[in-house]
Amino acid sequence: AQSVTQLDSQVPVFEEAPVELRCNYSSSVSVYLFWYVQYPNQGLQLLLKYLSGSTLVKGINGFEAEFNKSQTSFHLRKPSVHISDTAEYFCAVRKTSYDKVIFGPGTSLSVIP
Amino acid sequence: ETGVTQSPTHLIKTRGQQVTLRCSSQSGHNTVSWYQQALGQGPQFIFQYYREEENGRGNFPPRFSGLQFPNYSSELNVNALELDDSALYLCASSLVGQDANYGYTFGSGTRLTVV
Repeated sequence: AQSVTQLDSQVPVFEEAPVELRCNYSSSVSVYLFWYVQYPNQGLQLLLKYLSGSTLVKGINGFEAEFNKSQTSFHLRKPSVHISDTAEYFCAVRKTSYDKVIFGPGTSLSVIP
Repeated sequence: ETGVTQSPTHLIKTRGQQVTLRCSSQSGHNTVSWYQQALGQGPQFIFQYYREEENGRGNFPPRFSGLQFPNYSSELNVNALELDDSALYLCASSLVGQDANYGYTFGSGTRLTVV
């Protein structure tokens, strides 16, 4: 079975500073990896996904993530955050397109003016 | 393209009652998945429907049931509501098969409060 760990439950960061949100997964098979963002009182929005190929994936709103198979990690990064990036971020895995998506517990990103 | 729409947005029910939540999939998507998100937690998988049949279920009791209709819209039914059922219920649609897009499109959710 697959599982997702997000090591930091809360990450405060000053505006225009860089940020990294950490994600590790466990799986006995190859998986597809995702990052979703959830703004208050809203559903989840897909930021980016890794299916295959280049290990560096670029997404919306200036975010990117790097897949590291040996470390089973998929960390999310942004070089300069804005106030509007304040939200909950979820890392997720999926075995095939027919399978369920398994979400991590989430990381709350707070951008400080 | 239309997104995923859920109704109602908010709902208050009494313990022991039954509730039905509705979801309209994004145009072109053939799979619907339902998630329960308790406050401060990640979404937990309830079940998934593909071609009107349940093809995956999480660790939820049988009083959680669902349907998918020919137009790919879906319902989530919960019987004998318990206080712990209070949560945000999220519907997500996706396309599986040859042109799979692998990611979900989520609705904004239904906030269910059981009192």
